[in-house]
Amino acid sequence: EPEVTQTPSHQVTQMGQEVILRCVPISNHLYFYWYRQILGQKVEFLVSFYNNEISEKSEIFDDQFSVERPDGSNFTLKIRSTKLEDSAMYFCARKGTTNGELFFGEGSRLTVL
Amino acid sequence: SQQGEEDPQALSIQEGENATMNCSYKTSINNLQWYRQNSGRGLVHLILIRSNEREKHSGRLRVTLDTSKKSSSLLITASRAADTASYFCATDIRGSSNTGKLIFGQGTTLQVKP
Repeated sequence: EPEVTQTPSHQVTQMGQEVILRCVPISNHLYFYWYRQILGQKVEFLVSFYNNEISEKSEIFDDQFSVERPDGSNFTLKIRSTKLEDSAMYFCARKGTTNGELFFGEGSRLTVL
Repeated sequence: SQQGEEDPQALSIQEGENATMNCSYKTSINNLQWYRQNSGRGLVHLILIRSNEREKHSGRLRVTLDTSKKSSSLLITASRAADTASYFCATDIRGSSNTGKLIFGQGTTLQVKP
């Protein structure tokens, strides 16, 4: 059973459209992360979110991206105006309580046409 | 070179053989972790080794860490076809903002032939 559930599993969108990817943790945790993986490339850190605030973000996480935890449960990543190069797998992860390991969801595949 | 580089990039072995993957990094770390990813799936945490540890075992996995060389290795013994996957090392960098973010390497693609 995944530690976090991500929806949608696959989304196809037109360039310039807004996309919202969702992450639902199985249990209540404070630390969440979004990573992305362009096909065939390494997993890249986007943003960390702690106690309902962004705690760190990478250079990739520009003004087109935002994260929210609107209802205290779902954790969303919004891409305001998608570009072709946003096509990737987007992974949500939560931090383990013991050692700092991350538990990832199955990912949302975003295809921008 | 980048933080977290694995070698080899690809490894093909026969079932029953051992598989060794290496990871090098550049900056001081709190811990180093190994993850596995089956094609098109999410990453699964395998094992974590702290900066003050030198070796760790978990089932058929053995991880070593040499902080003087800034390198780690992952050994999978008695490999099985089901071990076929990509394996990534990830570092929790010391002195970072302590958000727990991990920096991933490029990964090693392991193919175990039955």
